[in-house]
Amino acid sequence: KAGVTQTPRYLIKTRGQQVTLSCSPISGHRSVSWYQQTPGQGLQFLFEYFSETQRNKGNFPGRFSGRQFSNSRSEMNVSTLELGDSALYLCASSFGLDGELFFGEGSRLTVL
Amino acid sequence: AQKVTQAQTEISVVEKEDVTLDCVYETRDTTYYLFWYKQPPSGELVFLIRRNSFDEQNEISGRYSWNFQKSTSSFNFTITASQVVDSAVYFCALSGDILTGGGNKLTFGTGTQLKVEL
Repeated sequence: KAGVTQTPRYLIKTRGQQVTLSCSPISGHRSVSWYQQTPGQGLQFLFEYFSETQRNKGNFPGRFSGRQFSNSRSEMNVSTLELGDSALYLCASSFGLDGELFFGEGSRLTVL
Repeated sequence: AQKVTQAQTEISVVEKEDVTLDCVYETRDTTYYLFWYKQPPSGELVFLIRRNSFDEQNEISGRYSWNFQKSTSSFNFTITASQVVDSAVYFCALSGDILTGGGNKLTFGTGTQLKVEL
C-alpha cells in the first residue's frame, strides 16, 4: 500500500514569493495534518483537515493556509515567504482521529 | 495549554545496553492521548505507540516497553538490548480529547537523539 506522498521534496524560494506544497494521503485516509519542523522550534502543528473541512489550526499567521480536496489530497500554501519559513513541512494522514499518523518524507523549503 | 518535555537531548549507548527515554507532559484535559514517534535518519516519522489517559497499564512490544504514570505525568520509553538500527530521534507527543478538538493535533516534545554504537 502506497504511503503518504509529498511533492515537491525540495524547493528554494526567495523572500516575498509564495509556495504551494502537495500531499497525497494513504488511500482511504480522510484526515490530513500538516506540521512544520525546524531545528529551533521543533515539530509544530499547522492544521488538520478531515473530509475537506479544516478541523484544527495551529498558531501560525494567516500567510499559512491549506485545503483538502474531495479525494483527500491536500495542499498547503505559504504566501509572502520569510526567511523563518525555511523548514521541513511534514504531511501526515490518518484514517480517523486517533492520533496514529502516517507521515510523508516531507517537503524541505529553503527561503533565501 | 499542553506541553511535552523531553529533557534528554541526546543519549549515546553501546549496542545491547538498555536505554530509557524520558517524557513528561502537562495538560488540563482529563481525556488525553500520549504517543511515541521515531524519526530515523531518512526523516519519515514513524508511529510507535498510543496510550489514552485512562489506561495506565505498561506495554511491551518486543524490545520496546512503555511506562505510563499519571501520578508523575510521565510516559517513558525503554529499549532493551539496543541495536544500531534503533539510532534515531524519538519524539513523545500529546493530544487532547477528540470531542474538544484534539485527536490528530499533536503537541510534540523536542525529541531525544539516540545513538547506538557498536
